[in-house]
Amino acid sequence: GAVVSQHPSWVICKSGTSVKIECRSLDFQATTMFWYRQFPKQSLMLMATSNEGSKATYEQGVEKDKFLINHASLTLSTLTVTSAHPEDSSFYICSARGGVSNTEAFFGQGTRLTVV
Amino acid sequence: AQKITQTQPGMFVQEKEAVTLDCTYDTSDQSYGLFWYKQPSSGEMIFLIYQGSYDEQNATEGRYSLNFQKARKSANLVISASQLGDSAMYFCAMREGRRSSASKIIFGSGTRLSIRP
Repeated sequence: GAVVSQHPSWVICKSGTSVKIECRSLDFQATTMFWYRQFPKQSLMLMATSNEGSKATYEQGVEKDKFLINHASLTLSTLTVTSAHPEDSSFYICSARGGVSNTEAFFGQGTRLTVV
Repeated sequence: AQKITQTQPGMFVQEKEAVTLDCTYDTSDQSYGLFWYKQPSSGEMIFLIYQGSYDEQNATEGRYSLNFQKARKSANLVISASQLGDSAMYFCAMREGRRSSASKIIFGSGTRLSIRP
């Protein structure tokens, strides 16, 4: 299957700082990327959908100014958690679709964010 | 309204036995897709199997098969001859609407499967 690389795999930051998470499709062009958030022992909750070259579409209840998403190219989308607080600590995972197969979504390895 | 329902929060199965993980869904679309993903403790999401709403045959991938009952809106995952490495969280997911890279995928609450040696 296609490869999606997410970086960093884990990050610890101080409260009030911003953290950027990158999601790259390595061997295909991802026309659409999705960002999910997963709390411990819970399911993946879709945060937003990003399309290359346009503004992201956020799910209800997700703060646009808090979680900045940029999909600057067909292989890169970034999620920036601005002014992070301890309640933002979570597992963030991206997925990408596009290329030959639009059937499955390919997932990155996830980023575990801890805000102290 | 919850669109993907997994009613089994956890299951224990003896090694080498078959196991069925339940999933029901709700959609008004005629065209949709159903997925199963495995998430080990490392957190990565591993794609297992896909079933399109218009596929007449049940999907199979090695030891995984999807028992698709469209009228009942169920898409149960069957794992044959379970192995210790199958211990993980399993998520049922659905893509609504026509197959498109922009169609979002939503997930059920998951089932934690534990295989006993």
